[in-house]
Amino acid sequence: DVQLVESGGGLVQPGGSLRLSCAASGFIFSNYWMDWVRQAPGKGLEWVAKIKGDGSEKYYVDSVKGRFTISRDNAKSSLSLQMNSLRAEDTAVYYCARTPGNHWVLDYWGQGNLVTVSS
Amino acid sequence: QSVLTQPPSVSAAPGHKVTISCSGASSNIGNNDVSWYQHLPGTVPKLLIYENNKRPSGIPDRFSGSRSGTSATLGITGLQTGDEADYYCGTWDDSLAVGVFGGGTKLTVL
Repeated sequence: DVQLVESGGGLVQPGGSLRLSCAASGFIFSNYWMDWVRQAPGKGLEWVAKIKGDGSEKYYVDSVKGRFTISRDNAKSSLSLQMNSLRAEDTAVYYCARTPGNHWVLDYWGQGNLVTVSS
Repeated sequence: QSVLTQPPSVSAAPGHKVTISCSGASSNIGNNDVSWYQHLPGTVPKLLIYENNKRPSGIPDRFSGSRSGTSATLGITGLQTGDEADYYCGTWDDSLAVGVFGGGTKLTVL
């Protein structure tokens, strides 16, 4: 079975850093694009970033460009999101998700990890 | 504001049918497949429809999807109280080079 298990969330002060991880199992990790999606309290889903299977292409939403970095370690079937210069508006539940094939669709999601940016 | 536009809420009685619209542009829905997600509070979003009208294994045929031009629609028939959730459309936007979701539609089964 496909599983995506996230870790690394928590409370951080504005301007601080945090690294989220997503451990994947049950599929050939390197064959899939992987994404991060977030949901701020009381808000809808917001796509954050995605990375190609071999790590050669990365895309980000404008609000996190230059602050967040998506990366992957295919040998460990692991996805990461390094978040720097965090702001209060980055407070959200962050989900990792898998994209199968060439179409942008998120077929499996992690359980979600809360990141709270507050002093 | 979201790039894709959905009605904030819809409602219908149990057993009835409801449709949720998703309006976009040529750079997103007009040129890319649409997917739909169901999100119940406190749970993980679930893929309902992909490539405009396909259902993943395990999704009942009460759920259907369509796309026409720069709009897409999710249909749910035989409404059940368990269908009460937030529903999101999503696709890729070629001009912005980002994934985009609609603002979400809260379904209430009266």
